[in-house]
Amino acid sequence: DAKTTQPNSMESNEEEPVHLPCNHSTISGTDYIHWYRQLPSQGPEYVIHGLTSNVNNRMASLAIAEDRKSSTLILHRATLRDAAVYYCILDTGRRALTFGSGTRLQVQP
Amino acid sequence: DAGITQSPRYKITETGRQVTLMCHQTWSHSYMFWYRQDLGHGLRLIYYSAAADITDKGEVPDGYVVSRSKTENFPLTLESATRSQTSVYFCASRTSGGATGELFFGEGSRLTVL
Repeated sequence: DAKTTQPNSMESNEEEPVHLPCNHSTISGTDYIHWYRQLPSQGPEYVIHGLTSNVNNRMASLAIAEDRKSSTLILHRATLRDAAVYYCILDTGRRALTFGSGTRLQVQP
Repeated sequence: DAGITQSPRYKITETGRQVTLMCHQTWSHSYMFWYRQDLGHGLRLIYYSAAADITDKGEVPDGYVVSRSKTENFPLTLESATRSQTSVYFCASRTSGGATGELFFGEGSRLTVL
C-alpha cells in the first residue's frame, strides 16, 4: 500500500493559518488523498479529500502538488478547537482506509 | 437519531470472558469497519464488511469475530478477551468502497481487560 509521511507534531497560534504537510511519493494515479482529524477522546472525522486539483470546503483547503507526491492541508484560521491529530491517507479504493500516526497539532491561544 | 452509534461506550471485563461490541448505523451504508486504537497510536483495521453476510479480515483480526446479518448492524466479538485487547474500538461506515466516499466514525467503545 502507498504510504504517507507526516511530521509527528506541529504548533500554531490561534487565528493564524496552519499548513500541515504530507508526503506520498509512491502515490498511484488513481489514489485519492484524504484527510481526517481526531479530536481528543473522539472518533476521527472527515476533513477533505482530492485527486489532482486543489479543493476547498468549509473546514479547510487541500493543496496538491502538481506531481501529486505531496499535499498540504490548510486551516485558514486556527482555533483552539482545531487542536487534534490530523491524518493524511491515500485511498486506493480497496474499501478500507489505513491510518498512520498523523500529525498532532497544538494551537496556542 | 441518525448516525452511527456504538455500545457499550465503556466496558471492563476479565481475561477469558467473551465480549461483544455493538455498532449500528442508520444510513444503510454498504461498508462497515472495525478499528482499534491503542493508547498514543493510530488506528488499525480489524475487520470490515462490504454488505450483509460479507466480511473480510483487516490488519489485526486474530482474536476477533464479526458478523453482519443486517446492513445496519456490525457487531464485534472478542471470544476470549486478553489484556492485549485493551483498547478503544471504533466502528465506521461508508457509502461505497470507492476512493471518494467519506468514512463516518462512531464515538468509540473503550474496553479494559483485567
